[in-house]
Parts: sequence; C-alpha cells; structure tokens
Amino acid sequence: DTAVSQTPKYLVTQMGNDKSIKCEQNLGHDTMYWYKQDSKKFLKIMFSYNNKELIINETVPNRFSPKSPDKAHLNLHINSLELGDSAVYFCASSPMAGPRETQYFGPGTRLLVL
Amino acid sequence: DAKTTQPPSMDCAEGRAANLPCNHSTISGNEYVYWYRQIHSQGPQYIIHGLKNNETNEMASLIITEDRKSSTLILPHATLRDTAVYYCIVSAQGAQKLVFGQGTRLTINP
Repeated sequence: DTAVSQTPKYLVTQMGNDKSIKCEQNLGHDTMYWYKQDSKKFLKIMFSYNNKELIINETVPNRFSPKSPDKAHLNLHINSLELGDSAVYFCASSPMAGPRETQYFGPGTRLLVL
Repeated sequence: DAKTTQPPSMDCAEGRAANLPCNHSTISGNEYVYWYRQIHSQGPQYIIHGLKNNETNEMASLIITEDRKSSTLILPHATLRDTAVYYCIVSAQGAQKLVFGQGTRLTINP
C-alpha cells in the first residue's frame, strides 16, 4: 500500500517540451506539497495546497503550474522545460490534525532535460 | 525559520548508538525541532519532533537541551539501513513548509 505515489518515476525529455508529473496520496490528508531537489541535493519547497487551494508558492517560475483536482491529487505541469529544471521532484502530504510539518514524501520523479 | 547547524558527516559502528547533534541557537519559543532522514534515492522520511521535552518513538529519541538551543537525535542501535542523510529542521507549527539544510550524512559501518 503506497501512501504517496508519483508517476512517472523517471522522465527524460527535450528542452522546450511540456510535461506533467502526477502525485496521489491515499492517507486522507488534506495538504499536499511539491519539493525540488537539485543536483547539489538541496531540497526546497515549491508549492503547498490545502484542500485544493494554493497556500504556498515559493517564487517558482510561472512555467510551473500545480493543479489539484481533488485533495488526494496534486499534479505538476511544467511548460517550456529548461536544462535547469533537471532535478528530483518530490510530492508530500500532511494531515489536518497535528503539525503540518509531519509530512509524508513520495518516492520522487527524476526529471532530466536534454 | 531558525537556522540549524549540523556536522556534514558522521560515522557509527553497526549496533552502536548514533548520536546526531544539531545547533539551533536562534530558535523561537513557538518553533518545534523536527528530524527527517533521506535514504539514498528515496524521499525524505519523518523521524521525530519535539518542542522542549525529550521525545521517544519506535525509530529514535530526541533530546532537547533546557535552553532549546541544541538537540541530539539518538538512534539507539544503528543498523546498516540507517545510513542516510539526517536533517534537523526547526519550524513554527502551522508554517506548513519544511526548510531543509544540508543535513548530516550518517554512515553506519559493519
């Protein structure tokens, strides 16, 4: 039973393309997040959604557009991919009850832009 | 969010207790201390958190000094599977975001 799942696990694409990464959680949580981990292994938050509403947007280029069709899903669409977008993208979720900083992470999507 | 300082790397023998220190001298009264770890090629994993009292769960113990300016994560009987990068994070409850530093790369040696 995978709590937070992401698809695809690996994504290799050309510069300029548009791609999407999907995230689903079956924990019944109401808050979901996207984090980016770059080649230097720095892990940084990008977005946070609470009950389908955008809560945090950390100065991410507007080529990145998160979409939450329901509170169990948070997808990330990236337009006009650039070389610098190559990274590992992690989805996470946290419950309404208890600290939001207790987050459950997915396995990551490894994006390589050529 | 308060800044944390951790040693970049540590080694520990299998079966021994691993003690990972963290300094957070600018921590505010409403900020909690969280510990996460990231095993190679996996997503970060929540370990434990605390405010001012020591905490223990099935994974680890967290010791927070009385002045709250530092803490220690203790893995009581380290195994090879505990090899990972360990992140100490301080965050106000409700901030909703985790600010990760560079963490401590812990290597458990057989």
